[in-house]
Amino acid sequence: AQSVTQLGSHVSVSEGALVLLRCNYSSSVPPYLFWYVQYPNQGLQLLLKYTTGATLVKGINGFEAEFKKSETSFHLTKPSAHMSDAAEYFCAVSDLSTGGFKTIFGAGTRLFVKA
Amino acid sequence: EPEVTQTPSHQVTQMGQEVILRCVPISNHLYFYWYRQILGQKVEFLVSFYNNEISEKSEIFDDQFSVERPDGSNFTLKIRSTKLEDSAMYFCASRTTSGRNEQFFGPGTRLTVL
Repeated sequence: AQSVTQLGSHVSVSEGALVLLRCNYSSSVPPYLFWYVQYPNQGLQLLLKYTTGATLVKGINGFEAEFKKSETSFHLTKPSAHMSDAAEYFCAVSDLSTGGFKTIFGAGTRLFVKA
Repeated sequence: EPEVTQTPSHQVTQMGQEVILRCVPISNHLYFYWYRQILGQKVEFLVSFYNNEISEKSEIFDDQFSVERPDGSNFTLKIRSTKLEDSAMYFCASRTTSGRNEQFFGPGTRLTVL
């Protein structure tokens, strides 16, 4: 069965600094991986996804993530944090073991951006 | 751009009452889902629905819960007798049959059980 682990429930960076949010997955089959962002009192917005092909995927708002099979990781990065990036970020994987193809979410990482 | 919509945005109910949460998935999508997020916790899968039947459900989705696609556009989640612990944000999602399985999420309904 698939699972997702996000390292660090809270991450704090200064504005302009590198953002690195860590995600490790467990999957017995090639995974489909996602990062979602949730702003306060809002729904889930897809940042980026990896399905097949290029292992470095670019998403919205300057974020990107690299799929590393050998490390079973899918870390999210952004070169320069902006105040508007403050939100909760969820790493997720598609559960391909059942016909429903549900999404399994990590526990989330709250990103704080300091001025 | 097509999107998943949910109504109401906020529902307040008394313990023991029935509630129905409504969702309109994206029109060409065929898989439908409900998830919930208790305040401060992670998003949890409740149920998936395909071809007019439940394809998978979690252990959270007990006899108090039911889903229905009453017409060609709506997808509903019913909680028969709400409990305090049902207070959460409920998200509807949908996707096409593509194996890429990108799910599109609605904005959520915040359910408060008093």
